[in-house]
Amino acid sequence: GQNIDQPTEMTATEGAIVQINCTYQTSGFNGLFWYQQHAGEAPTFLSYNVLDGLEEKGRFSSFLSRSKGYSYLLLKELQMKDSASYLCAPMDSNYQLIWGAGTKLIIKP
Amino acid sequence: IAGITQAPTSQILAAGRRMTLRCTQDMRHNAMYWYRQDLGLGLRLIHYSNTAGTTGKGEVPDGYSVSRANTDDFPLTLASAVPSQTSVYFCASSDKTSGGNEQFFGPGTRLTVL
Repeated sequence: GQNIDQPTEMTATEGAIVQINCTYQTSGFNGLFWYQQHAGEAPTFLSYNVLDGLEEKGRFSSFLSRSKGYSYLLLKELQMKDSASYLCAPMDSNYQLIWGAGTKLIIKP
Repeated sequence: IAGITQAPTSQILAAGRRMTLRCTQDMRHNAMYWYRQDLGLGLRLIHYSNTAGTTGKGEVPDGYSVSRANTDDFPLTLASAVPSQTSVYFCASSDKTSGGNEQFFGPGTRLTVL
C-alpha cells in the first residue's frame, strides 16, 4: 500500500533551524512535493524534488533520497509566521499526489 | 478572477439534501482535483479530471460525483448528504498531469452535514 509518515507536531524557537522528516512508500514515484498550510487556509506550494539531493530556496531547503524513501524540509531563521502545518506529498506512478497528515510546527518566541 | 475560486465558503446542510460545490479556475490548467481534509488525516482525493470531458475516481469517491464540461469549471455534487461528509473541501488545479507541476488550491469550502 501507499503510506506517508511524518511527525504530528514539532516545536521550535524563533530564529532557530528545524528539520521536518518524511518517509514514504508509494506505487511508483514521480517526485515529492512539500506544501505549507496555515490554519484555516489552503495548502501552498513550497518545493519539489525529483532527483536525490538538496534543493535550496531562500530560508527553506528540501532533501530527497529515493533509495531510502525519505525526504526532509529544512527551515532556517525561523519566524513566527512559519507556524503552520507542513505537508509531505510524493507523486505516484499515476501522477497523483499522496498526502501525509502533515506536521504542525509551533514557533515560540 | 485570479487563480482558483470556490463557492460557497461554508455551508450547513441537512442530511439527505443535495449540494453542489463550485470550483472555477482561470489559469487554463488542464487537470483539476477535489480533495477533502479531515482533522488528523491527510488530504484525500475524491475525484479528478485530467482534461475537459474526462473524470476519474480518487481514493474516496463514494457519495460524490463530478463533471468537467469545460476547462474552467469542476463542480462536485453530493447527491444525498450524510453526516460523514462533514469536512473541508478543497479544489485544486495543475498545468498538466506529469510530474513537477504543482497543484494550486482554492480557498476551500467548509461543509457541515447535520
